[in-house]
This record gives sequence, structure tokens and C-alpha cells, in this order.
Amino acid sequence: QSVLTQPPSVSAAPGQKVTISCSGSSSNIANYYVFWYQHLPGASPKLLIYDTDKRPSGIPDRFSGSKSGTSATLGITGLQTGDEADYYCATWDTSLSVYVFGSGTKVTVL
Amino acid sequence: EVQLVESGGGLVQPGGSLRLSCAASGFSFSAYSMNWVRQAPGKGLEWVSFISITSNNIYYADSVKGRFTVSRDNAKNSLYLLMNDLRAEDTAVYYCVRDRNYDYFWGTLSAWGQGTLVTVSS
Repeated sequence: QSVLTQPPSVSAAPGQKVTISCSGSSSNIANYYVFWYQHLPGASPKLLIYDTDKRPSGIPDRFSGSKSGTSATLGITGLQTGDEADYYCATWDTSLSVYVFGSGTKVTVL
Repeated sequence: EVQLVESGGGLVQPGGSLRLSCAASGFSFSAYSMNWVRQAPGKGLEWVSFISITSNNIYYADSVKGRFTVSRDNAKNSLYLLMNDLRAEDTAVYYCVRDRNYDYFWGTLSAWGQGTLVTVSS
């Protein structure tokens, strides 16, 4: 059971928008940056968002990150079939002194 | 091009040991902190360990603390994970992952290896 809770799955049609929530607590999300990773089938995970709302070079601006209090959100606009993957939020938990990943959300493009 | 190549995975009996290695290239390994992350079959990602540039800061997940030891050799551009007292629940793909160019934990896992599979079974 992860300390970061994500919905198991979200889905939308191509071109639409999805949002993935990541719910934590005052010992993690509220007091540290949030990171998001994309894990495509058969590939290694890839960094999508760092420091809560920044995109590494090469990541399209269709992907965005935000945070409010103890929750964070990943947004994906202009959904493409190539976006079908598992998405994980992550952050440092100051109480546990560990880096924690969310439970993961599977994105399906209808 | 940044490359991280893990090796050393395989089948090991419960209670056994294994040493994973990660060979880094395409960037200045001695300027970056590093992590190990694993994924058990059908499960999500789990952070395992962190080691800073100078090895002065090292952290472990509670699930491996006391059994796993992370180390690095900056002269050889290599990261290691010594795993002792292995259990069935340690079965996973283990990824070598680059963090930031800070001598402390940040969490920006910006480059990942292809992973090496460790199977603990009798």
C-alpha cells in the first residue's frame, strides 16, 4: 500500500484531456517537489515532470504538472495513442525518509 | 548519449546473495548522484536506494535496509548493489537511475537503464 494514492486507471478518446491525481500527506507532497514518470510497455520509465511543474527537454507541453496542498495532478492534453502507459507520481517522504512512488495509473486511449 | 547498463541479475535461491552492477557512459558519472529502483512482476515502481556523488549520503527503503548495500566507483563509472539474504519478494527488475548533479538526494530520476531481472526462487 503506497502512501501516495493514484486512480488505477483513466481513459479518454484521442485528442481529449486526462488528469491523474496523486494524493499524499503533509509529510510528503505538501512539503516536497513532486515528480511524474511515464512507463510505456516494454520500455524503461521516463521522467515527465520534475520539481512539481517543470518539463525536461524533449517532453511536449501537452504534459503538465501542478500541486495544491497534499495533492498533485498530472495533465495530458491532446491525448495520443502513444500516451498509453502507466504513470507514476513520486516524492520524498520526510517522515519515512524514503522516496515514494504512487500506486500507478494506467492511461487508456479509447 | 547517456547510457546506463545493468548486469548481474539472475536466479538465486532464498537466503542467497547477488551483486548488481551498472556501467555508466555518455555523461560525467562522478558528478551525479544515483539510485536503484525496482519493479516486481505485475507491480508498481519501488525506490530501493540512493547514493550521493561522494558516497557521503546513502539511503535505503525499509524493505531492504540491513540486507542491501549500495556503492559506487567513480573512477570506473560504475554503480553497484550488493544484495544479501534475498527473499522471494525481492524478485523484480532492478533499474539503475541517475539523479541530479547534487551531493544530496533530490529525486529527479532523469535517466534509467534497461533493467536487470533478479529472480529469487528455490
